[in-house]
Amino acid sequence: EDQVTQSPEALRLQEGESSSLNCSYTVSGLRGLFWYRQDPGKGPEFLFTLYSAGEEKEKERLKATLTKKESFLHITAPKPEDSATYLCAVQGAGNTGKLIFGQGTTLQVKP
Amino acid sequence: EAQVTQNPRYLITVTGKKLTVTCSQNMNHEYMSWYRQDPGLGLRQIYYSMNVEVTDKGDVPEGYKVSRKEKRNFPLILESPSPNQTSLYFCASGRGQTISYNSPLHFGNGTRLTVT
Repeated sequence: EDQVTQSPEALRLQEGESSSLNCSYTVSGLRGLFWYRQDPGKGPEFLFTLYSAGEEKEKERLKATLTKKESFLHITAPKPEDSATYLCAVQGAGNTGKLIFGQGTTLQVKP
Repeated sequence: EAQVTQNPRYLITVTGKKLTVTCSQNMNHEYMSWYRQDPGLGLRQIYYSMNVEVTDKGDVPEGYKVSRKEKRNFPLILESPSPNQTSLYFCASGRGQTISYNSPLHFGNGTRLTVT
């Protein structure tokens, strides 16, 4: 069964304190791993898609990496506006019609 | 502006009173889907549609109906709502007929439904 586990559940950082969020997955035939950001009261906002082990994507202070078993979302020198819940999702070859989401990591960056 | 629009944003209703949550996208996307988000359970797929007149069940379809008569609209229908359908609902769309590396999902801003 396809499964996604994110850790930690919650993370508090000081502004400028870099860290990483983890997304571990088991899926039969990865067709894509997706990172989303969700702000309170809003829908998930697409950040990155990764497909191949070793692939990396960057956007401002965020960098996503992928191995065969997990993905990391690295946050470099975060700012308070980076505070949000970050969701990881995978799509497997067994069902191209849906994403399997993790529970998310809620990040709080204090000034 | 490219977007997925859901209405209403907030809805309070009583058990058994039929309701419809509308979803519309202006990106000419083929794929559309409904998810519900509950604390501790994350986002779970209810139904999805790969094309007009083509719909399929997700992980939690019980108690819900959908239709896809036009490409841009994908309403979610609760024929007889129950309290366990109290949740935050999201509609999403994607460019291809399936989700893929090149066709991520774009989400609406959600509908918070309370069934008493």
